[in-house]
Amino acid sequence: GAVVSQHPSRVICKSGTSVKIECRSLDFQATTMFWYRQFPKQSLMLMATSNEGSKATYEQGVEKDKFLINHASLTLSTLTVTSAHPEDSSFYICSAETSGGRGDTQYFGPGTRLTVL
Amino acid sequence: AQTVTQSQPEMSVQEAETVTLSCTYDTSENNYYLFWYKQPPSRQMILVIRQEAYKQQNATENRFSVNFQKAAKSFSLKISDSQLGDTAMYFCAFVKGGGTSYGKLTFGQGTILTVHP
Repeated sequence: GAVVSQHPSRVICKSGTSVKIECRSLDFQATTMFWYRQFPKQSLMLMATSNEGSKATYEQGVEKDKFLINHASLTLSTLTVTSAHPEDSSFYICSAETSGGRGDTQYFGPGTRLTVL
Repeated sequence: AQTVTQSQPEMSVQEAETVTLSCTYDTSENNYYLFWYKQPPSRQMILVIRQEAYKQQNATENRFSVNFQKAAKSFSLKISDSQLGDTAMYFCAFVKGGGTSYGKLTFGQGTILTVHP
């Protein structure tokens, strides 16, 4: 099956610094990637939808200037948390969708645990 | 807008027994897909089963089966012969059909399932 990787798997940073998380589709081209945020024992909250070569579409309440998303190629999307603060500490998950638009073609990365001190 | 509701925050079952997880949803769409995802302690999201709304036949995948009641907007997951490895958080999810990119998944709140030896 299709594989999506995320890097890093966990990161600890100081308050005020920026952190970049990469999401890669390893064996397929992803026309669309999604970024989610998940708090412990809670559901996934969609942050933004990222299409290759165009600006990301952010969900209501998500600060686009704080969570910068770049989808530069069909296999790579990056999420940069700018000027991170402790409240940004969370588990971030990406998913990638293949072209063709079938309902089961969204594959998830293993997630990145961000801790902001 | 779509909503997905999982009314059972936690469930437990003995190994080898059968358990059913509930999910209801609300939508005005006629073309859509429903999913059950599993998130074990590793936090990797794994697709368990998928159901197309236009199909009356309930989907099955080995020990996993669904009871899809379209009129009632209900989509429950039955796990037969439960195994210790089934211990995980289970999410019910909805996505609209149609077009070339099905996109956004709407997740339920999740049900934590614990399988006891």
